[in-house]
Amino acid sequence: SQQGEEDPQALSIQEGENATMNCSYKTSINNLQWYRQNSGRGLVHLILIRSNEREKHSGRLRVTLDTSKKSSSLLITASRAADTASYFCATHKAAGNKLTFGGGTRVLVKP
Amino acid sequence: DGGITQSPKYLFRKEGQNVTLSCEQNLNHDAMYWYRQDPGQGLRLIYYSQIVNDFQKGDIAEGYSVSREKKESFPLTVTSAQKNPTAFYLCASRGAATDTQYFGPGTRLTVL
Repeated sequence: SQQGEEDPQALSIQEGENATMNCSYKTSINNLQWYRQNSGRGLVHLILIRSNEREKHSGRLRVTLDTSKKSSSLLITASRAADTASYFCATHKAAGNKLTFGGGTRVLVKP
Repeated sequence: DGGITQSPKYLFRKEGQNVTLSCEQNLNHDAMYWYRQDPGQGLRLIYYSQIVNDFQKGDIAEGYSVSREKKESFPLTVTSAQKNPTAFYLCASRGAATDTQYFGPGTRLTVL
């Protein structure tokens, strides 16, 4: 089962613009993580936000978490062509110590 | 170099054959995971192991088997019972002090 659902499924922007993608989930979580996947490659961890945090920054990335709405957003500022990838949210529940991934947002940054 | 490796990168299998995918890590991580990814989709958990000689079924374990005889290794066997095995398979590991998972480069399995 996929707890996280990303929106939009695909996003096309010009270099320099910001990219925002959202993730919704269904049950209580311990933390929420965002991962990036370049085509045909493994996933790379970007950022983790805990259930008691509301916002977190890492370089050009900004993540928010609203546990009352069971949703999170990932903002990539000043996008670059190298940001072209698929981005996945993953929810972590304490029990079982495993992640449940969403379907991903495919981002295309045009130079 | 520390990391997690998967082999082979591409694998072709005839229908009815079992095939084993390799996953090795030298990160000294206790936990290891296997995921399946279909085109344009997210990851689905097949099996995971929190410690040597122990593993649990994930969401789509049918038609797959694993072993965890060594901390460094977590091979996945795709059996002939798996009806639609063509997919991209990803292995991951996790250290004890974190919830973050580290992924290998993946193996693309195609059934001919």
